[in-house]
Amino acid sequence: GENVEQHPSTLSVQEGDSAVIKCTYSDSASNYFPWYKQELGKGPQLIIDIRSNVGEKKDQRIAVTLNKTAKHFSLHITETQPEDSAVYFCAASRDLGNAGNMLTFGGGTRLMVKP
Amino acid sequence: GAVVSQHPSRVICKSGTSVKIECRSLDFQATTMFWYRQFPKQSLMLMATSNEGSKATYEQGVEKDKFLINHASLTLSTLTVTSAHPEDSSFYICSARDGGTGANVLTFGAGSRLTVL
Repeated sequence: GENVEQHPSTLSVQEGDSAVIKCTYSDSASNYFPWYKQELGKGPQLIIDIRSNVGEKKDQRIAVTLNKTAKHFSLHITETQPEDSAVYFCAASRDLGNAGNMLTFGGGTRLMVKP
Repeated sequence: GAVVSQHPSRVICKSGTSVKIECRSLDFQATTMFWYRQFPKQSLMLMATSNEGSKATYEQGVEKDKFLINHASLTLSTLTVTSAHPEDSSFYICSARDGGTGANVLTFGAGSRLTVL
């Protein structure tokens, strides 16, 4: 089955700096890679996702890059703000259109943005 | 966007009792819902896949008689923790896929924190 590794487990940055979280996956058939933000006591919220037919996707301060050859993908947050502080999870899956395909999550990264 | 409602958000029960957690897709139909368990400072662990109108598929190591899943309609799945014990205390999260949009993204509920005394 799929195995997703996520690094670092904790990340502390100064407000305004950039933050980068990296994930690797094992299943070369995976083609959907979402990122979730989880605040304390809440469920994960999808913040951005990328599919294997593109190498990069950007949404305001958040961007995700994908290297299918190396089987790794990264989340980039620029101009970090205190409200970006949360736990971030990467995930990988084969086509979710098939009900049998499920998300495999990374271990999570606790991001702390210091004001 | 798609919204998944989970209830209750917090529940405290005595050891030996059963607790039911509901997961509803509010503005879309979900033939498949997923139930996860999350321990403090850890990732989400998939427990089971809930299929509307059929039996749930449980992940290895998850006791189906302990964690009863019912997906009776296209908008509701329930997880019942039977004869709960303190080790069942955890954060339980459901998710559903809105296949109608074509994007096939998963939307998560806000989670239910179960504390068994």
